[in-house]
Amino acid sequence: NAGVMQNPRHLVRRRGQEARLRCSPMKGHSHVYWYRQLPEEGLKFMVYLQKENIIDESGMPKERFSAEFPKEGPSILRIQQVVRGDSAAYFCASSPRTASGYTFGSGTRLTVV
Amino acid sequence: SQQGEEDPQALSIQEGENATMNCSYKTSINNLQWYRQNSGRGLVHLILIRSNEREKHSGRLRVTLDTSKKSSSLLITASRAADTASYFCATGHANAGGTSYGKLTFGQGTILTVHP
Repeated sequence: NAGVMQNPRHLVRRRGQEARLRCSPMKGHSHVYWYRQLPEEGLKFMVYLQKENIIDESGMPKERFSAEFPKEGPSILRIQQVVRGDSAAYFCASSPRTASGYTFGSGTRLTVV
Repeated sequence: SQQGEEDPQALSIQEGENATMNCSYKTSINNLQWYRQNSGRGLVHLILIRSNEREKHSGRLRVTLDTSKKSSSLLITASRAADTASYFCATGHANAGGTSYGKLTFGQGTILTVHP
């Protein structure tokens, strides 16, 4: 059981490009969460998904950001037309049900140049 | 409003001493969890305490929850240099039907440094 797999670990994009971050949850986990972390700060909630459904996207910026968790394959966080302010660590977590601990991935560090 | 605010922001102790970190929150919760993060890594789940529980133990960790004060504390006994990390509390809430809701809200964290 490999845990939560995120890739890539590091991603460099120029301003205006698209960033695609992938997350494969732990086997048996149907709940996926994306968080963003700026240096020296806590995690900010972005979106909560279950298979094929967005449960809560209250933390997602209204423009340029989207997330999906298809029936087959990993969850994808997509950032279009990236700006310098998007530079951060993006963490994915999964859980088997609500009211249980999360298992986190190692994160994707996005740098926008 | 900010949920899960930790106190202190930073804590520096000697190996063997106990470390206590506190967490306060504003709205009612279904459960409260503590996580640890080593620099540059993902978070690791330490312990979950439900709103109807008052205290929980796991190895050298002891967590208390006081729902009347909307606060929790994490005690690490006999600290080791390897305990050096950031510690976050996270609150889970109930939806309108009273069942737990999956999303967690994290605080800003306490940076713990244990000197050998």
